[in-house]
Amino acid sequence: NFMLTQPHSVSESPGKTVTISCTGSSGSIASNYVQWYQQRPGSAPTTVIYEDNQRPSGVPDRFSGSIDSSSNSASLTISGLKTEDEADYYCQSYDSSNLNWVFGGGTKLTVL
Amino acid sequence: QVQLQESGPGLVKPSQTLSLTCTVSGGSISSGGYYWSWIRQHPGKGLEWIGYIYYSGSTYYNPSLKSRVTISVDTSKNQFSLKLSSVTAADTAVYYCAREGGGYPHWGQGTLVTVSS
Repeated sequence: NFMLTQPHSVSESPGKTVTISCTGSSGSIASNYVQWYQQRPGSAPTTVIYEDNQRPSGVPDRFSGSIDSSSNSASLTISGLKTEDEADYYCQSYDSSNLNWVFGGGTKLTVL
Repeated sequence: QVQLQESGPGLVKPSQTLSLTCTVSGGSISSGGYYWSWIRQHPGKGLEWIGYIYYSGSTYYNPSLKSRVTISVDTSKNQFSLKLSSVTAADTAVYYCAREGGGYPHWGQGTLVTVSS
């Protein structure tokens, strides 16, 4: 089964840039779109990136997504970090064999 | 802007069937191209995909839950539903509905379901 692996946690200082990786277990991660969700404590997830690198309206352009086929991974980059960016971030894609959604385990971002 | 809202009992007894409804506003559930999904999150844990129903009626379920899950649509009420049978304490979680396709995924606010006698 296809799996997505994320680092458990990352931390960075306000104003800096952080990148969160999401590595596919098999096949090509570029074969299916990747989404990224932000989940603040006590709240529902919201979409910050969809279809690899698209931002919903209202999401600041400090958030960007990319795909690196050579490492079979997707990345979420947040620049100009703010304390309000502190949250859990989940990547999500699809298992090509059965069209099932697959989530990464989530990354806790601490901005300190 | 489409909005989704989960509803249903917050407490279910073990061995019973968990039933939740997601009411969609700001868009028709009959519109083509969308996947209507259920996702859950155990307390303090990550997200787990349960399954979805395509606008055509096709369903796709998480293999680990497939034997207990049914997702259906009621177009007359602009709702879709989740039924999870034979629940145990391990099914205690926040349950989210979501719409995917034709843009970015939209999520409901989630509803906590506790399985306990």
